[in-house]
Amino acid sequence: EQQVQQSPASLVLQEAENAELQCSFSIFTNQVQWFYQRPGGRLVSLLYNPSGTKQSGRLTSTTVIKERRSSLHISSSQITDSGTYLCAMERYDYGSSGNKLIFGIGTLLSVKP
Amino acid sequence: DMKVTQMPRYLIKRMGENVLLECGQDMSHETMYWYRQDPGLGLQLIYISYDVDSNSEGDIPKGYRVSRKKREHFSLILDSAKTNQTSVYFCASSRDRANSDYTFGSGTRLLVI
Repeated sequence: EQQVQQSPASLVLQEAENAELQCSFSIFTNQVQWFYQRPGGRLVSLLYNPSGTKQSGRLTSTTVIKERRSSLHISSSQITDSGTYLCAMERYDYGSSGNKLIFGIGTLLSVKP
Repeated sequence: DMKVTQMPRYLIKRMGENVLLECGQDMSHETMYWYRQDPGLGLQLIYISYDVDSNSEGDIPKGYRVSRKKREHFSLILDSAKTNQTSVYFCASSRDRANSDYTFGSGTRLLVI
């Protein structure tokens, strides 16, 4: 069972359009992070957003914990925004007494000129 | 420049051979992780290390073991590699168990033939 569901699976935009990416969780969590991955590249943390709305440049994340969902809004998309956006939720692991991040499969964004 | 470094970047091994993947970080992060990433499955957690000699199984530990003898260094070992261990392996670190300052390496592409 995929505990973190992301939609859409892929998205194609024209440059300067806005994007809205969605993430939902099968269990409650108290931490959500969004990551970006260029094809074949490392993941880069974009936003840490446990609740409410957080903004970083053209990126805005809104998390509603009680509804188990988070979204990432990308405004005025650029060609260099192309890549995969992954959502991750924190889950407590009783076996190790620590927290784990559980990742979604991601949304593949392609921005065309 | 704070970073997580993985070696090697690409590796081809024959089935049954032993594999050593190395990961280093220069941020004095307490917690380090090994993930594998496969199409359609996303990132799966193999092992977590909360500090030197304090390792915990992740979600898919079978067929893998880890070693952390220094805080800045975390190794992933595959004893007698199998073809289904062909994947992209990512190492990550975070400042503490709260998953803050999550930083990924560039990944190791492993092909087992």
